[in-house]
Amino acid sequence: EAQVTQNPRYLITVTGKKLTVTCSQNMNHEYMSWYRQDPGLGLRQIYYSMNVEVTDKGDVPEGYKVSRKEKRNFPLILESPSPNQTSLYFCASSLRGPTEAFFGQGTRLTVV
Amino acid sequence: RKEVEQDPGPFNVPEGATVAFNCTYSNSASQSFFWYRQDCRKEPKLLMSVYSSGNEDGRFTAQLNRASQYISLLIRDSKLSDSATYLCVVKSYNNNDMRFGAGTRLTVKP
Repeated sequence: EAQVTQNPRYLITVTGKKLTVTCSQNMNHEYMSWYRQDPGLGLRQIYYSMNVEVTDKGDVPEGYKVSRKEKRNFPLILESPSPNQTSLYFCASSLRGPTEAFFGQGTRLTVV
Repeated sequence: RKEVEQDPGPFNVPEGATVAFNCTYSNSASQSFFWYRQDCRKEPKLLMSVYSSGNEDGRFTAQLNRASQYISLLIRDSKLSDSATYLCVVKSYNNNDMRFGAGTRLTVKP
């Protein structure tokens, strides 16, 4: 089954404790991206990747890192999480470029 | 001003009603347009792309007006299962990202 898989689905952590949210897709898509969704603000892009070893900042990259060492994986790293990074995070992939995207099921992160 | 704006609603309509949502975008270089559907606590899913000539998929019709910089979604014969938040999405020529509206919430009632 074609899918985008994120883990974990739910995470509560403390300020400053490094964490990684994994994202994997099995559709051989070139383009992958991370979004955060906050009430009233919609989805905002954090980082995106056009292909392996090619990443770039989205609208709200501060406090986040990403890597794209393999085509299927695009982890999101929070080196020192802060409470303002409490949000619902979605990973997405599409064949080429940010067009018709498939989304993962989301990761609800709470930083206390 | 937000790059993509939608009426947040909520729109509460009875089953069988016709409902329309509009979405305006500010970047005249916008190239591609989409409607996504998001159920409560779920991920967004592509509902339909929006083509310049307008397009229809069953009970759903999408229109694009480049001159006025808005897109619309019309849902005919609403079903209870249409209850969701509808997200307007725009991609511009000079960006490698998609810009999402905050969504319009629809509730269809029996």
